[in-house]
Amino acid sequence: AQTVTQSQPEMSVQEAETVTLSCTYDTSENNYYLFWYKQPPSRQMILVIRQEAYKQQNATENRFSVNFQKAAKSFSLKISDSQLGDTAMYFCAFMKRGAYNTDKLIFGTGTRLQVFP
Amino acid sequence: DTGVSQDPRHKITKRGQNVTFRCDPISEHNRLYWYRQTLGQGPEFLTYFQNEAQLEKSRLLSDRFSAERPKGSFSTLEIQRTEQGDSAMYLCASSLAVSEGAGDTQYFGPGTRLTVL
Repeated sequence: AQTVTQSQPEMSVQEAETVTLSCTYDTSENNYYLFWYKQPPSRQMILVIRQEAYKQQNATENRFSVNFQKAAKSFSLKISDSQLGDTAMYFCAFMKRGAYNTDKLIFGTGTRLQVFP
Repeated sequence: DTGVSQDPRHKITKRGQNVTFRCDPISEHNRLYWYRQTLGQGPEFLTYFQNEAQLEKSRLLSDRFSAERPKGSFSTLEIQRTEQGDSAMYLCASSLAVSEGAGDTQYFGPGTRLTVL
């Protein structure tokens, strides 16, 4: 079975600074996807960034980038130039790849990020 | 708005009562997922539909839980004889499967928060 671990329950960062959220996972699969989702207070979860395990290049979406280390089973999220609107719960998630899978997401326990002015 | 919607947003019920939640996915999406999120945890997969077919159910989904997706459109999740342990946020997500195992992005609704007294 796959597991996802987020070891940082809470993080804080000052506006305009950079912060990195950690995520490790355990799987025997070779093909899979990894995701970071953001859940702002009292608002719905939205996708921040995704990474295909077969791609060596780290994914980037504007101020958000990942450091994907497949051998170490590590998938960290870096937020550059943090903004007040980045305050949210961040979840790392795993999805198996391949035919006949349900594409269900397996989530970590989340990291609560607070951005201070 | 063409996002995923859920109704009701909040439900308070007494132990032993039955409750039903509704999810309306993004209109062209053929896949629909239900997740449960308890306080301090990441969402956990409950069940999944491709069109109107329920293709997987988690062991978390006891026989008191039933889900349907008639005609492959909206979905309902019913909990019979609710227990205090059922108190949680129930999240619905939908995706458009372009091919098997493609890791399609799941779009989440705002959730239904259930409190069982």
